[in-house]
Amino acid sequence: DVKVTQSSRYLVKRTGEKVFLECVQDMDHENMFWYRQDPGLGLRLIYFSYDVKMKEKGDIPEGYSVSREKKERFSLILESASTNQTSMYLCASSFSRDRAGTEAFFGQGTRLTVV
Amino acid sequence: RKEVEQDPGPFNVPEGATVAFNCTYSNSASQSFFWYRQDCRKEPKLLMSVYSSGNEDGRFTAQLNRASQYISLLIRDSKLSDSATYLCVVTSPGGNQFYFGTGTSLTVIP
Repeated sequence: DVKVTQSSRYLVKRTGEKVFLECVQDMDHENMFWYRQDPGLGLRLIYFSYDVKMKEKGDIPEGYSVSREKKERFSLILESASTNQTSMYLCASSFSRDRAGTEAFFGQGTRLTVV
Repeated sequence: RKEVEQDPGPFNVPEGATVAFNCTYSNSASQSFFWYRQDCRKEPKLLMSVYSSGNEDGRFTAQLNRASQYISLLIRDSKLSDSATYLCVVTSPGGNQFYFGTGTSLTVIP
């Protein structure tokens, strides 16, 4: 069974803290993505990566950074958490364009609250 | 302009009803198309891929009209367990990026 695993289901952090969200996939996918999902706004792309040590900004990268040191792991970092970063964070992975047509698989999500 | 537009609903239908969701996309070169289902406070999961020839999986039928840049999902004989949010998803021309609609909420009422 394919698996994308996020390190935490629920997280509460204080304003100004540095926050790490970890995501691991076991499907040998090249592509990995971080989204946030807010009511009425749908899924918005924060960052994505097509390969190890490669990263690209999505639609809303401000206040975030990412790290991909190994193919199976993609980390999202909130440099200095703020209350407007309270959200559901979803990691996803997929095969590359060479095997296009396959879907994205999602982790279970991390509900982050910044107080 | 958004890549994918969906009617957010909500759709409230009785058990046994037929319900249809529609979605339009802006990039005519989009490569792949999907419908995902998302239950409350859970992650999205693939419901079905959508092909130009149309495809059916039990009570679910998906259609793609490339000329009109339009995707549809038909659910027949609705069950209580069909209550969820349905997301229309389109990929980039290269197939590496996913664009999501904001989702259509469905509640099936006993």
